[in-house]
Amino acid sequence: EVYLVESGGGLVQPGGSLRLSCVASGFDFNAAWMSWIRQAPGKGLEWVGRIKSKGGGGTTDFAAPVKGRFTISRDDSKNTVYLQVNSLKTEDTGRYYCAKVYMLTALAFDHWGQGTLVSVSS
Amino acid sequence: EIVMTQSPTTLSVSPGERVTLSCRASQSVNTNLAWYQHKPGQAPRLFIYGASSRATGIPARFSGSGSGTDFTLTISSLQSEDFAVYYCQQYDNWPPYSFGQGTKLEIK
Repeated sequence: EVYLVESGGGLVQPGGSLRLSCVASGFDFNAAWMSWIRQAPGKGLEWVGRIKSKGGGGTTDFAAPVKGRFTISRDDSKNTVYLQVNSLKTEDTGRYYCAKVYMLTALAFDHWGQGTLVSVSS
Repeated sequence: EIVMTQSPTTLSVSPGERVTLSCRASQSVNTNLAWYQHKPGQAPRLFIYGASSRATGIPARFSGSGSGTDFTLTISSLQSEDFAVYYCQQYDNWPPYSFGQGTKLEIK
């Protein structure tokens, strides 16, 4: 069974930082591309960023609203992907989900965690 | 950036009815289109990928169709557990992997 468990969310002031973690189990994490997706209160899903597997180059891509402020990294020895969120804005408030990319020929997200809540407020 | 537009925003339906949800892309995404179900307090769940392939464990009453810019998700006979928000998402041209704004299925 695939599990993705996020943690690290919390209340932070504008301009602050957090590091979100997502621990994975039940699949070959080394080979997986992983994404972060968020949902602001009362809004829809918004893709945040993605990291490829090390074998795929390990590169990252980000959505325009977070580019330059957010980074994604992975520690395959710990089956963990991280989202470092810096220079936080009130509009970054929301639930942050990590998700596994299904396969390289179908870049949908086949497993999701329950999410971790980030609240940016003064 | 490809913009995904879903219609309608909200759909009030009765159990047992047949329902069709629409998703339109601002440019062709071929068949690189997924549908997700999202219920409050739960993780989103992949239902359809490749525009028409059901994900593991998804009941046969759900079907997806379309290619290019126009897609539909059809539920042949609504069950009580199907009331939720449904999102489409393209993965043809990325980044970003853009989502539609969602269609909420509510009980009439």
